[in-house]
Amino acid sequence: DSGVTQTPKHLITATGQRVTLRCSPRSGDLSVYWYQQSLDQGLQFLIQYYNGEERAKGNILERFSAQQFPDLHSELNLSSLELGDSALYFCASSPYPSGPQHFGDGTRLSIL
Amino acid sequence: QQQVKQSPQSLIVQKGGISIINCAYENTAFDYFPWYQQFPGKGPALLIAIRPDVSEKKEGRFTISFNKSAKQFSLHIMDSQPGDSATYFCAASKGDDKIIFGKGTRLHILP
Repeated sequence: DSGVTQTPKHLITATGQRVTLRCSPRSGDLSVYWYQQSLDQGLQFLIQYYNGEERAKGNILERFSAQQFPDLHSELNLSSLELGDSALYFCASSPYPSGPQHFGDGTRLSIL
Repeated sequence: QQQVKQSPQSLIVQKGGISIINCAYENTAFDYFPWYQQFPGKGPALLIAIRPDVSEKKEGRFTISFNKSAKQFSLHIMDSQPGDSATYFCAASKGDDKIIFGKGTRLHILP
């Protein structure tokens, strides 16, 4: 158990809809990272927050947004969903702005 | 220059054999090279990591070999077991920057 909690585990929705994925980092970790994992695409870094502030941005679409709250949990919002957004979404956390990351078990998003 | 290239994409090894996964990078400023292991239905988990001031690091059956001049590093799994069947990701980072992951290698160990 990595200590990183992601909810929900599975999400099925339709094109055009909006969903929110939630991540609770390990106790004491200030950094939260979001990744998208599609078949044959590896881990695509989306965005990082450190102690409530956005720290780094990767290949995140404008339809996606995230935030980190004062209690350090984070939410990833995906809107105007398309079939191609079907993927596994992972959250990871670390105590510092960089260094070893501990991953949750992901949210599997299926767009019908 | 930010890429980490990983090969092979998939690998099949007999039980008891040596599994070798290779990675190459371009950015000489990278100073941290972790390997992650991912089982189906689970998130990646840190397996072993190395910094460029050493050429090899061993933890149990897992060894990272690092060649700074060639800008390459590899993961060796000795006495490979069916339980090692998973996807392995190499990665690299510099300073406080985010970690860059390779595309992964699906390893299957034949019983």
